[in-house]
Amino acid sequence: EVQLVESGGGLVQPGGSLRLSCVASGFTFHNTWMGWVRQSPGRGLEWVAHIKWDGSEEFYVDSVKGRFTISRDNAKNSLYLQMNTLRAEDTAFYYCGKPVDNYATPFDYWGQGNLVTVSS
Amino acid sequence: ETVMTQSPVTLSVSPGERATLSCRASQSVGSSLAWYQQKPGQTPRLLVYRASTRATGIPARFSGSGSGTEFTLTVSSLQSEDFAVYYCQQYDKWPLTFGGGTKVEIK
Repeated sequence: EVQLVESGGGLVQPGGSLRLSCVASGFTFHNTWMGWVRQSPGRGLEWVAHIKWDGSEEFYVDSVKGRFTISRDNAKNSLYLQMNTLRAEDTAFYYCGKPVDNYATPFDYWGQGNLVTVSS
Repeated sequence: ETVMTQSPVTLSVSPGERATLSCRASQSVGSSLAWYQQKPGQTPRLLVYRASTRATGIPARFSGSGSGTEFTLTVSSLQSEDFAVYYCQQYDKWPLTFGGGTKVEIK
């Protein structure tokens, strides 16, 4: 059974940092592209970042470029999102996801979501 | 960036009726189009990808069609569990982008 278990969310002040983690099981993590999508409370979905199976390629939405870094540790079946210089508009539920057909294909499995609140 | 526009924003339908949701892309995305369903307090659920391929376990009453810039999700006979928000997403080009959603509510 595929599982994605997230951790690391919480309340942080503007300008602060936070690191999200996503531990995967039930599929061949080291062969699979992975990504993050976020959703502000009561709003729509926004793609954040993707990383290639070997970590050699990363893609980001413009609004987080230079502030967020996606990474992975295949030995630990883990995906990460390091978020720096956080802004109020980064407040959202953050979901890690596994693509249905690898690469940038849509997520058929999602983590449970982690709320990140940026507020003073 | 490929802008995805969904219509209508809200669709009022009676149970058992057919629902037709639209999604338009600002440039061609080929067949790289997915549909998700999201209920309050839940994570999104993949319904359709590659414009018309149903994801695993999705009932046959959900069908997707279209290519290029115009796409449609049809729910042939709405069940009570189908009232939710539906999102389209293109994955042809970076950045990946979602539509704003269509809320399907009980009429």
